[in-house]
Amino acid sequence: EDQVTQSPEALRLQEGESSSLNCSYTVSGLRGLFWYRQDPGKGPEFLFTLYSAGEEKEKERLKATLTKKESFLHITAPKPEDSATYLCAVDAEGSNYKLTFGKGTLLTVNP
Amino acid sequence: EAGVAQSPRYKIIEKRQSVAFWCNPISGHATLYWYQQILGQGPKLLIQFQNNGVVDDSQLPKDRFSAERLKGVDSTLKIQPAKLEDSAVYLCASSASYNEQFFGPGTRLTVL
Repeated sequence: EDQVTQSPEALRLQEGESSSLNCSYTVSGLRGLFWYRQDPGKGPEFLFTLYSAGEEKEKERLKATLTKKESFLHITAPKPEDSATYLCAVDAEGSNYKLTFGKGTLLTVNP
Repeated sequence: EAGVAQSPRYKIIEKRQSVAFWCNPISGHATLYWYQQILGQGPKLLIQFQNNGVVDDSQLPKDRFSAERLKGVDSTLKIQPAKLEDSAVYLCASSASYNEQFFGPGTRLTVL
């Protein structure tokens, strides 16, 4: 069974204080790893897809990286508007493109 | 580009009652998903449609949940009868390609 574990469950940062969120996964064969952002009362918003170990993608203050067992979402000099829940999901080979999500990390950035 | 539309946004019902949710995907998106998101958890896929055919419904509690996607566009998800543990946000998503799923705002269901 595919498993996705995100840590920490919650993270509180000061504005400008860089940090990383972790997503560790167990799948029979990874086809893609996805990062989403979810604001309160809204649906998840797509951020990145990573396909192979060593791949990196960036968007503004966010950078996602991938190894064979985990992915990191690095947040550089965060701002209060980066506060949200960040969700990681995996798509495994043979799964009909079904995403298995982790529980998410609630990020709070204080001004 | 209009996003995924869902209604209602909120619903409160008594246990054993029935409820239905509606989803209108982004125009042209062939694949439609229904997810259940319990508070503090990530979304869990309930059912996936490709046009009007079911691709995956392995996690749909078929004794009480049903879904249809007529004409390959709009979709409805029904719960009958509802249980307390069905309290959750029901998210609809659609995609045109493998890479990105677009989510609607969700319907928050409270079962009393």
